[in-house]
Amino acid sequence: NAGVTQTPKFRVLKTGQSMTLLCAQDMNHEYMYWYRQDPGMGLRLIHYSVGEGTTAKGEVPDGYNVSRLKKQNFLLGLESAAPSQTSVYFCASSRPTSEGTQYFGPGTRLTVL
Amino acid sequence: EDQVTQSPEALRLQEGESSSLNCSYTVSGLRGLFWYRQDPGKGPEFLFTLYSAGEEKEKERLKATLTKKESFLHITAPKPEDSATYLCAVQANGANSKLTFGKGITLSVRP
Repeated sequence: NAGVTQTPKFRVLKTGQSMTLLCAQDMNHEYMYWYRQDPGMGLRLIHYSVGEGTTAKGEVPDGYNVSRLKKQNFLLGLESAAPSQTSVYFCASSRPTSEGTQYFGPGTRLTVL
Repeated sequence: EDQVTQSPEALRLQEGESSSLNCSYTVSGLRGLFWYRQDPGKGPEFLFTLYSAGEEKEKERLKATLTKKESFLHITAPKPEDSATYLCAVQANGANSKLTFGKGITLSVRP
């Protein structure tokens, strides 16, 4: 099993450009999450999904959109990138009965110039 | 608002020198406290779940303990491969409650 995979691993954008980050999991988990990790800030939840076709806002949702069209995939979109969105983005998944036991992907390092 | 404070920010140990990492938390009813390990350039990896005060969990050289206000991750006779950032997170009771993470403790173990 590959677990949780993320595409791409690295990306450089110019201010105002858009992009989509893809997360895929092969563990049949209902719940999926997008986090960002910044130096000195810890992991912060952006958006999450408790099932196919459902999404909800986390702690820092502004400037991001998400979609969960298939159970195994969770997409994070930036419509108009800003330098403040420079960060490392992690996707994670979990079972509904054990939300605290999350399986993380390897991360996407995004730089917005 | 749920809060998690980890200390110290960084810890350097000699191989074999035991120590403890601290996680203090404030939460409106604790559903669970979680420890993760994160290696440089990788995603966090789950280590332990603790649910109630007095509970302990062990894995190799690591032992996690929980009180009503804090959790400790004890590292006994660490090895260089234990070098990593250790993250603590809490989940409060209630519907739609998600994890709140601390900033992490970076542990370096010198041979």
